[in-house]
Amino acid sequence: KNEVEQSPQNLTAQEGEFITINCSYSVGISALHWLQQHPGGGIVSLFMLSSGKKKHGRLIATINIQEKHSSLHITASHPRDSAVYICAVRSWGGSNYKLTFGKGTLLTVNP
Amino acid sequence: EPEVTQTPSHQVTQMGQEVILRCVPISNHLYFYWYRQILGQKVEFLVSFYNNEISEKSEIFDDQFSVERPDGSNFTLKIRSTKLEDSAMYFCASRWTGRYEQYFGPGTRLTVT
Repeated sequence: KNEVEQSPQNLTAQEGEFITINCSYSVGISALHWLQQHPGGGIVSLFMLSSGKKKHGRLIATINIQEKHSSLHITASHPRDSAVYICAVRSWGGSNYKLTFGKGTLLTVNP
Repeated sequence: EPEVTQTPSHQVTQMGQEVILRCVPISNHLYFYWYRQILGQKVEFLVSFYNNEISEKSEIFDDQFSVERPDGSNFTLKIRSTKLEDSAMYFCASRWTGRYEQYFGPGTRLTVT
């Protein structure tokens, strides 16, 4: 069973700051997802990656397969980035691609 | 852009009642999932569904739960006799064959009183 740990659990930043959220997992995976959950509860997929780095606007996600670690970075953070960011992994084996989730990181960006 | 939809957005029910949560996955997707998130806790996998049958289920998904794809578009989660601890946000997700990315619906908040 894969254990997914995120840090920090809570993060408060000032607008414009560079944000880093970390995710580590215990068992090798085939893919890792970064998801965003807003206060209303809906989940939006930000990235899915299995190696290297992906960038979308101000968001950057990296993964180190050997170290079983991924980071989500937000450059020039903005109050609208305030949300819960969730790391979820898909372990090897099976064809169902079920996800195992971390507890999430609550990000608050103050103006 | 195609999206997964869920109805209702909020359901309040009394303990012991049956509830059906509905999802309309993206039209060309073939794999379907239900997840739940108890308030303040992490999202948990419940069940995956492919080719009109359950392909995997978690320990949470006991005999009180069932899933169905009654027609070509809907995907439902039924809880036969709700308990207080079933109160949670339930998310449906779907994906296309050959791709890992899952698309999530907005969730149904179930409150059991």
